[in-house]
Amino acid sequence: AQKVTQAQTEISVVEKEDVTLDCVYETRDTTYYLFWYKQPPSGELVFLIRRNSFDEQNEISGRYSWNFQKSTSSFNFTITASQVVDSAVYFCALIKTSGTYKYIFGTGTRLKVLA
Amino acid sequence: DSGVTQTPKHLITATGQRVTLRCSPRSGDLSVYWYQQSLDQGLQFLIQYYNGEERAKGNILERFSAQQFPDLHSELNLSSLELGDSALYFCASSASGGGNTEAFFGQGTRLTVV
Repeated sequence: AQKVTQAQTEISVVEKEDVTLDCVYETRDTTYYLFWYKQPPSGELVFLIRRNSFDEQNEISGRYSWNFQKSTSSFNFTITASQVVDSAVYFCALIKTSGTYKYIFGTGTRLKVLA
Repeated sequence: DSGVTQTPKHLITATGQRVTLRCSPRSGDLSVYWYQQSLDQGLQFLIQYYNGEERAKGNILERFSAQQFPDLHSELNLSSLELGDSALYFCASSASGGGNTEAFFGQGTRLTVV
């Protein structure tokens, strides 16, 4: 069975602090994709990143960075120098590359960045 | 703007009624997904269509049905509505049916059943 676990339900930080959102996944597949989505208060889901299971290189995009470690089945997301606009619910998701192509989402982590 | 359009944005209806939610995917995307987001269940996959055909089915109730039309827009039909069906319903589209292309989500339809 596939599963995505985001153990942190809610995190509060003060602006300019760094924060890491954890994502642990379970899958028996050797080939899969991992995603992060952001859901701001307005409600839409915004795509942030896709990573395939063969690419364990870390990625940095501005203040955002992602650490993918197959050995620990984790795909963590770090926001550096957080800003109030980063306040949102962040979802980690997993999809297989064969069979049933449904995204499995974690339960999300609500990030509150305080001014 | 993701390019995925969902209508209506808000819907209030009574128990026992039937509603239709509509989704227009991004131009060129062949795959459409429907998700339900409720407070206690998180984001639940309902169903996926690819180029007009059902590709995958998730936790979709028998009272719910969907289809994808030749122009690739999709509709989700919810019938015999219950209070527990109140949720945010998302449509997403992707170029392919798998994970090698990311899914882009619409803004959702907030359904309130009273």
